[in-house]
Amino acid sequence: GAVVSQHPSWVICKSGTSVKIECRSLDFQATTMFWYRQFPKQSLMLMATSNEGSKATYEQGVEKDKFLINHASLTLSTLTVTSAHPEDSSFYICSATGLAGDTQYFGPGTRLTVL
Amino acid sequence: AQKVTQAQTEISVVEKEDVTLDCVYETRDTTYYLFWYKQPPSGELVFLIRRNSFDEQNEISGRYSWNFQKSTSSFNFTITASQVVDSAVYFCALSEDVPGRQGAQKLVFGQGTRLTINP
Repeated sequence: GAVVSQHPSWVICKSGTSVKIECRSLDFQATTMFWYRQFPKQSLMLMATSNEGSKATYEQGVEKDKFLINHASLTLSTLTVTSAHPEDSSFYICSATGLAGDTQYFGPGTRLTVL
Repeated sequence: AQKVTQAQTEISVVEKEDVTLDCVYETRDTTYYLFWYKQPPSGELVFLIRRNSFDEQNEISGRYSWNFQKSTSSFNFTITASQVVDSAVYFCALSEDVPGRQGAQKLVFGQGTRLTINP
């Protein structure tokens, strides 16, 4: 149980384009979803926390207009990187928690490369 | 603020050796959770353990064991009889309440320890 999927697993795009990444909880209802970014050989940095039907809470220093998060249902959250630039190239990972909220289950990640 | 320190950036051992990964944390919360995750080369984080701050009992799961010492704010992870498949980056993490979102907890991660098990 507690499986989280992400799509796509990797994406390459041109600078200036927007990219959408989907995060789904497959076998449980995710009351809260989280989006992280991980640069090579670094730790995970939380970008934002979202709940279904409400606005996301962004961490300090994360531009909410650049990283749009939509938590449309209890099983789906999307992250849109708008007007992507090479410095946005990174590994984006989502996680989700159920009602208990005490354990985060992670998706497999999406590797974004902006040319 | 919450902080997690994994002082060992990289560890390399020969297969079958025991290895301990250190984790020290800082928190002002009285109730919190500690976690260990494994990140193999594929990138996906694998959940290993969750420990409630009120439960200081050590835990063993197969070749894995965890030592939680509240007095020293440490939550160390030991792999006995290591195997090549244990090679990965291991992250220790600490829960933190999300402001304005009752019941939601985010994770603060340590920098990770890259463990290499050589045949």
